[in-house]
Amino acid sequence: EAGVAQSPRYKIIEKRQSVAFWCNPISGHATLYWYQQILGQGPKLLIQFQNNGVVDDSQLPKDRFSAERLKGVDSTLKIQPAKLEDSAVYLCASSSSLPLGAFFGQGTRLTVV
Amino acid sequence: GQNIDQPTEMTATEGAIVQINCTYQTSGFNGLFWYQQHAGEAPTFLSYNVLDGLEEKGRFSSFLSRSKGYSYLLLKELQMKDSASYLCAVRDRYNQGGKLIFGQGTELSVKP
Repeated sequence: EAGVAQSPRYKIIEKRQSVAFWCNPISGHATLYWYQQILGQGPKLLIQFQNNGVVDDSQLPKDRFSAERLKGVDSTLKIQPAKLEDSAVYLCASSSSLPLGAFFGQGTRLTVV
Repeated sequence: GQNIDQPTEMTATEGAIVQINCTYQTSGFNGLFWYQQHAGEAPTFLSYNVLDGLEEKGRFSSFLSRSKGYSYLLLKELQMKDSASYLCAVRDRYNQGGKLIFGQGTELSVKP
């Protein structure tokens, strides 16, 4: 079974620029998560989708971050404009309806300079 | 509120046993997970507990006490490759699809 795919793996941008990340979850997984992981910390949930609907986005900085999951499969996360403190690894994960944990992609390491 | 606590770092010797503790306070509970994360890599699933007691899987075991809001991950016969961050995560019961809330992770260093 193919895992969670993310791209790009690395991205360097200047502050105030915009950036987008892409995620393709494991086939058949209804739940998709975007996490932000700052160096030395645990993953922080930004947004959770169930199929193509948002279940939780309480920690998403909505003034600059947006996410969508078209047709309940792939998802994109956008930051516009980026700030220095957005430098982190952005992890996408997916899970099925079974009471199991989430499976993570390799992540996108974002550096804002 | 939601809070998950685990030690920031631990050091152990190759061949020894180490126990990593996790305490949690969440609005709902539908399982506790342990993940392993090597530097620069994504977290990988290690174990899952939803009922009280011990779950054993090879060199790794995980324990849960729901009444105490407490779990631990036990690693036996430590190997150098076990040097990694270990993340405790709780699944929120009252959320469709299961919201996973993570602790800050415990950085384990295994010394020769």
